[in-house]
Amino acid sequence: AQKVTQAQTEISVVEKEDVTLDCVYETRDTTYYLFWYKQPPSGELVFLIRRNSFDEQNEISGRYSWNFQKSTSSFNFTITASQVVDSAVYFCALSEAESGGGADGLTFGKGTHLIIQP
Amino acid sequence: DVKVTQSSRYLVKRTGEKVFLECVQDMDHENMFWYRQDPGLGLRLIYFSYDVKMKEKGDIPEGYSVSREKKERFSLILESASTNQTSMYLCASSMHGDLSSYEQYFGPGTRLTVT
Repeated sequence: AQKVTQAQTEISVVEKEDVTLDCVYETRDTTYYLFWYKQPPSGELVFLIRRNSFDEQNEISGRYSWNFQKSTSSFNFTITASQVVDSAVYFCALSEAESGGGADGLTFGKGTHLIIQP
Repeated sequence: DVKVTQSSRYLVKRTGEKVFLECVQDMDHENMFWYRQDPGLGLRLIYFSYDVKMKEKGDIPEGYSVSREKKERFSLILESASTNQTSMYLCASSMHGDLSSYEQYFGPGTRLTVT
């Protein structure tokens, strides 16, 4: 069965610090997708990134970067020079593609509550 | 812009009532999903649908049913609401069949309180 673990329940840092959110996953499938979502205080989940299991290249988008390592089954998310607007709950999620066509739910981690203090 | 809407942001119902939560998406997506979100438990999948009139159980379907009569609309039904169904309910949709399009788009959520 698939599983996603976000061991950090809550992280608090001061603005402009770098912060890394950890995500460890378990799956028996060889083809799968990993995601990060952001849930700001308004409540709506916002899609940040998707990574498939065959693409281990790290990705950078502005102040956000993601480090995917199949060897350790991890997909960590780093925010550089954090800002107060980054305060939110961040979820890592996993989808196994062998169910076909994307018609399957995501398995979410329990989320990490990130607090950026001014 | 991608849009998923849910009929209510907040809902208060009494134990034993039948409750309908509605979700509509305007992206012509084939897949639709219902999750519930609880503190310390993250998001858990209740039901999903990959086509009109099709439905599949997720991880926690007990106490719920769903209806998908039109492609754009996916309803979650609590046949007899109970206090342990007090939660935040999130609807999502995604494309089907394209391996590069697995991301799900979420609605704003409905916070349901059962008293």
